[in-house]
Amino acid sequence: EPEVTQTPSHQVTQMGQEVILRCVPISNHLYFYWYRQILGQKVEFLVSFYNNEISEKSEIFDDQFSVERPDGSNFTLKIRSTKLEDSAMYFCASSGRSGTGELFFGEGSRLTVL
Amino acid sequence: GENVEQHPSTLSVQEGDSAVIKCTYSDSASNYFPWYKQELGKGPQLIIDIRSNVGEKKDQRIAVTLNKTAKHFSLHITETQPEDSAVYFCAASKAAGNKLTFGGGTRVLVKP
Repeated sequence: EPEVTQTPSHQVTQMGQEVILRCVPISNHLYFYWYRQILGQKVEFLVSFYNNEISEKSEIFDDQFSVERPDGSNFTLKIRSTKLEDSAMYFCASSGRSGTGELFFGEGSRLTVL
Repeated sequence: GENVEQHPSTLSVQEGDSAVIKCTYSDSASNYFPWYKQELGKGPQLIIDIRSNVGEKKDQRIAVTLNKTAKHFSLHITETQPEDSAVYFCAASKAAGNKLTFGGGTRVLVKP
C-alpha cells in the first residue's frame, strides 16, 4: 500500500539552528501538507501546498518556516532559526484531490530543540 | 476560525463493550468530518469520515453520526477489541482535502 514517508524520525538540534524535515508524499498525489503536534496538545495545521505554491498557511507558519518541493518527489519543511517552542512532532500529509480526497499522513518527525 | 472540542480525553472500556467519543465544532461552514486513529509511533490514519449531506455512516464496527444543527458529531465503536486501543482524533474542514482542524484526541484503552 502506498504511504507517506518522513525523515528523519527524530532530530535534536540547538536553538537557532536551521532544520529541514523531509517528506516523500504518495506518488500521484497533488496536495501536500504539514501539521505539527506539540506534546500533549492538538494536531495543528501549518501549511498546504499545491501546484508548486503555498495554498494556505496558518498563523504559526511565520517567516521562519518555508516549504519546498525541489525535485518533484520530496516535500520539505525548513525552519530557519529554531526556537525551543518549535519542539514538536511534525506530520507530513498528502492528498490526491482537494474536495474529495482523504489525507494520508506520514509517521512524523520528532523535533527536539535544546 | 474553526474550533473543535473532543470528549472524553481518555476512555477505558472492557473488551466487547461499546466506546463513544463526541466532538463539537464551531464553524457552520464545515462540512467534512473525518476520524483518525493514531497508534503509538505512527501517524494518524483515517478510519471513517462523514460529509454534511448525511447524518450517519457505518463501516463494520465503526459508525459516525452528525448533527449539523447542534454542530456535533460522534464516533461509535461496537464490540471493542484490544487492537482498538489507540488515540482517536476527530477533525473538521470545509471540504475533504482542505485543512483540518483537529480535536484534542481521546486515548482509548480496551481491557481484555
